[in-house]
Amino acid sequence: KAGVTQTPRYLIKTRGQQVTLSCSPISGHRSVSWYQQTPGQGLQFLFEYFSETQRNKGNFPGRFSGRQFSNSRSEMNVSTLELGDSALYLCASSLGLAGITDTQYFGPGTRLTVL
Amino acid sequence: AQSVTQPDIHITVSEGASLELRCNYSYGATPYLFWYVQSPGQGLQLLLKYFSGDTLVQGIKGFEAEFKRSQSSFNLRKPSVHWSDAAEYFCAVVPLQTGANNLFFGTGTRLTVIP
Repeated sequence: KAGVTQTPRYLIKTRGQQVTLSCSPISGHRSVSWYQQTPGQGLQFLFEYFSETQRNKGNFPGRFSGRQFSNSRSEMNVSTLELGDSALYLCASSLGLAGITDTQYFGPGTRLTVL
Repeated sequence: AQSVTQPDIHITVSEGASLELRCNYSYGATPYLFWYVQSPGQGLQLLLKYFSGDTLVQGIKGFEAEFKRSQSSFNLRKPSVHWSDAAEYFCAVVPLQTGANNLFFGTGTRLTVIP
């Protein structure tokens, strides 16, 4: 079974631009979560989507948004990029059983550099 | 405050030596516990997890972890380290009864293996 895939793997943008990252979960998984990893803040939860609905959200500004499609693929968008948005963005998928914690499997990440 | 602590930022061991990476958590109730490993430029790979039951958990790549409720710890161990184990290791939790499935990570421990 194929793992979680993320595209693109690398991105370079300039301040003020916007960016869209894509994540395809493991087949059969219905939940997709996004995390930001930076040297200063470590790994931080952005949001989780299940059945095209945002189920949970971390403490990030509204410039960070996401969505999920009917095939469970997810995108996250960052508008008005700032230098501090440079990070590795990781996507994780899980079965998404309601009310039950199940294991998250991570993709390789998208490395975003903001100049 | 609720937290996950990995007190060792960097550990160096010789190949063939034993390894123990420490993880402590501070939550009202025992959370679900995970260890992930991240190789340079890669995403996170699940090593093992603890939800309940036997407090000694076996994982992949010869790793094991022991849950100790009295010490609020979930330390990762390996009896004999291989050069390929060099990576960053993250302890993570999902707090119980929050209705959420997002992971809270420790700051990570970087493992260097010397020949």
